[in-house]
Amino acid sequence: KNQVEQSPQSLIILEGKNCTLQCNYTVSPFSNLRWYKQDTGRGPVSLTIMTFSENTKSNGRYTATLDADTKQSSLHITASQLSDSASYICVVTTGGSYIPTFGRGTSLIVHP
Amino acid sequence: DVKVTQSSRYLVKRTGEKVFLECVQDMDHENMFWYRQDPGLGLRLIYFSYDVKMKEKGDIPEGYSVSREKKERFSLILESASTNQTSMYLCASSPGQGRDTQYFGPGTRLTVL
Repeated sequence: KNQVEQSPQSLIILEGKNCTLQCNYTVSPFSNLRWYKQDTGRGPVSLTIMTFSENTKSNGRYTATLDADTKQSSLHITASQLSDSASYICVVTTGGSYIPTFGRGTSLIVHP
Repeated sequence: DVKVTQSSRYLVKRTGEKVFLECVQDMDHENMFWYRQDPGLGLRLIYFSYDVKMKEKGDIPEGYSVSREKKERFSLILESASTNQTSMYLCASSPGQGRDTQYFGPGTRLTVL
């Protein structure tokens, strides 16, 4: 069964610090991997998308990496801000399907 | 920008009531989805539709039905609401034809008393 596991489940950091969120998947065949940001009480918004041939993608202070061999991805947040407080969801899509597999998310809290 | 709207942000209903959740997208997307999101469980797919009048069950379709009479509108129906259907409901759409980035609505927080 296709699965996406995220760690940690929750994370608290101080404003200005960096952090890294992890995503491991067993989805096959792999098509692409996305990271979404979901603010409290809102719908998720796509941050990055990576296909099999890409191993790094940046969006401002967010940098996602992908290792298709080990089936792992990470989302690195640099110089965190209070507005980064949100849930970050890893989503993997199989080839030939438009139905993605969602991870359960990492809840990030940034304290001043 | 793609816009996905949902009819209500908050909804309170009583057990046994019939509940309609409406979702509208304005980008002519082929695919539309209904999810529920519960703490610790993430997003779970209820139903999806890849064309007008077409629907497919997701992972947790029991107790729900859907309707897609027009391309831009996808409705989720709770025939007889129960307390275990209290949840956040999220609608999403994607372009289709190999482009599968999902665009989400703001969500409807449904409470069934």
